[in-house]
Amino acid sequence: NAGVTQTPKFQVLKTGQSMTLQCAQDMNHNSMYWYRQDPGMGLRLIYYSASEGTTDKGEVPNGYNVSRLNKREFSLRLESAAPSQTSVYFCASRQGQGAPYNEQFFGPGTRLTVL
Amino acid sequence: DAKTTQPPSMDCAEGRAANLPCNHSTISGNEYVYWYRQIHSQGPQYIIHGLKNNETNEMASLIITEDRKSSTLILPHATLRDTAVYYCIPPTNFGNEKLTFGTGTRLTIIP
Repeated sequence: NAGVTQTPKFQVLKTGQSMTLQCAQDMNHNSMYWYRQDPGMGLRLIYYSASEGTTDKGEVPNGYNVSRLNKREFSLRLESAAPSQTSVYFCASRQGQGAPYNEQFFGPGTRLTVL
Repeated sequence: DAKTTQPPSMDCAEGRAANLPCNHSTISGNEYVYWYRQIHSQGPQYIIHGLKNNETNEMASLIITEDRKSSTLILPHATLRDTAVYYCIPPTNFGNEKLTFGTGTRLTIIP
């Protein structure tokens, strides 16, 4: 049982390049999330998916797109990377849909640098 | 939106109880209080949650005041591995998908 996995662990991009961050969970959770964390800051929600087939914006969605490919996978795409998107990106999942508690399980993060 | 206030940093001697306060004076209705921690750049880890009663699990205890406007997370016998940033999450309703992470309290356990 791997929990939440993220790929890649590290990535360096040049301004204007695109890339997709991958996230998968094996806990049969309904809800999945993407956060970013800048140095010395707390996490900020980018997008979330309350169930397969639905996505919603979080606090900082600009510059990102997401795809809930299936129940297991939730990807985050940067179409044209900017230096301001240099950050650590965390994916999380939660049982959701009737679960009474908001316990989210987090992946190990992807460290992205945009030059 | 509900907010929380936490001290930016605290120290605690190894083996002693670490008491981390949080003010959430705007809490209302059936909003839960959640605590997470983040150990050195790892993904955050859920610790505990509560509504109105005190709660205890294998990681910590959560004491919520009677008016529910503040709470204290207690790590009863702190170890060096408890050095982390502790987040008191603004109260959310049942089923609310969104959690908001502020800057938390950086707890340092001193040998």
